[in-house]
Amino acid sequence: AQKITQTQPGMFVQEKEAVTLDCTYDTSDQSYGLFWYKQPSSGEMIFLIYQGSYDEQNATEGRYSLNFQKARKSANLVISASQLGDSAMYFCAMMGAWGGSNYKLTFGKGTLLTVNP
Amino acid sequence: GAVVSQHPSRVICKSGTSVKIECRSLDFQATTMFWYRQFPKQSLMLMATSNEGSKATYEQGVEKDKFLINHASLTLSTLTVTSAHPEDSSFYICSARDQGTDTQYFGPGTRLTVL
Repeated sequence: AQKITQTQPGMFVQEKEAVTLDCTYDTSDQSYGLFWYKQPSSGEMIFLIYQGSYDEQNATEGRYSLNFQKARKSANLVISASQLGDSAMYFCAMMGAWGGSNYKLTFGKGTLLTVNP
Repeated sequence: GAVVSQHPSRVICKSGTSVKIECRSLDFQATTMFWYRQFPKQSLMLMATSNEGSKATYEQGVEKDKFLINHASLTLSTLTVTSAHPEDSSFYICSARDQGTDTQYFGPGTRLTVL
């Protein structure tokens, strides 16, 4: 079974500063994938970034980067140069046994990010 | 990125009626789609996995006779909430798996209110 832990219920950041959202995971699978999604108040889930367990380099997508530390089982999301539009709920998710679990995602409880002007 | 649509975005119905929600992958084929339920200020709860051409796989505690899922084509899955009751009021959101990347792309969600 997989478990995702997001220990920060809420985070605040000043506009234009960087912020790190924490995510730790637990799995016995050797191969897995880690995802981050953003959910604004409108409710839609927006895919941000993906990291495969065998990827040697940390994933980056524009202002988003994933600080993947496999030994620590952490996959923190770093948002650089925060914008007001980044205010949203952020979910870390994991897909274990790469397809063996029928591709199901396990989600964390989420972190509500507020960007202050 | 891949686009998933969901219809309707909002529905209000009377207790005892049935409501159908559609989930479509617009620019990719999805053999696997997923249906989630989300309560306010909580994470997503997986209800079922919808596989094209076969029966859906329901998570423990989800009534398959109440939440009917049909995945008749590679781009469409439907969720029907039968004999809806006020406790079924929730935000329902679907996702579709892009086979090329294994990434799940989500629809915009449907807010169901049962009076």
